[in-house]
Amino acid sequence: QVQLQESGPGLVKPSETLSLTCTVSGGSINSYTWSWIRQPPGKGLEWIGYIYYSGSTNYNPSLKSRVTISVDTSKNQFSLKLSSVTAADTAVYYCARGDREFDPWGQGTLVTVSS
Amino acid sequence: QLVLTQSPSASASLGASVKLTCTLSSGHSSYAIAWHQQQPEKGPRYLMRLNSDGSHNKGDGIPDRFSGSNSGAERYLTISSLQSEDEADYYCQTWGTGNVVFGGGTKLTVL
Repeated sequence: QVQLQESGPGLVKPSETLSLTCTVSGGSINSYTWSWIRQPPGKGLEWIGYIYYSGSTNYNPSLKSRVTISVDTSKNQFSLKLSSVTAADTAVYYCARGDREFDPWGQGTLVTVSS
Repeated sequence: QLVLTQSPSASASLGASVKLTCTLSSGHSSYAIAWHQQQPEKGPRYLMRLNSDGSHNKGDGIPDRFSGSNSGAERYLTISSLQSEDEADYYCQTWGTGNVVFGGGTKLTVL
């Protein structure tokens, strides 16, 4: 059974770059697409982007200029970088398998943007 | 523009049934969607994919109490024999060319 686990700093300063990693266990990262989704406190879900195991990507147009998603198949991991963060980027960040239906999801990690 | 609209809240009694609605924006009535459940303080859980012909494919371990249906641009999630653990936020989600969209979510209260 595939499981996903997000990891990374829980606190990021404004204007800096948020960096998170998702580790996939119980299955191979190959042959699938992998996504990042976020949820600001008390609000709904927002798709950030996805990456194919081969490395091609697709990003939410509203975040595209600040987002980079990469994959490391040797480590069965994929990563998210979000640059020039502000308080509006404070959210729980989830990784998930898929580019259409998302299944499964990670448990999420809270990232707070504050000085 | 691809948009999904959900009612912010719904309620139903323990043991009863409830039908949640997700409406696709004009011009997108043929789109498939997915339903996700988010219990309090937990990450989302995939429930099912619901196709425009009404067929659905549920995720592993999703009880038979959860079913999907549609009518035109509306997509429904029906939960029967409501249990206390069904109290959660329910999100619909769809996808277009290079884009993924979530509805605003429906908070279901089990009375």
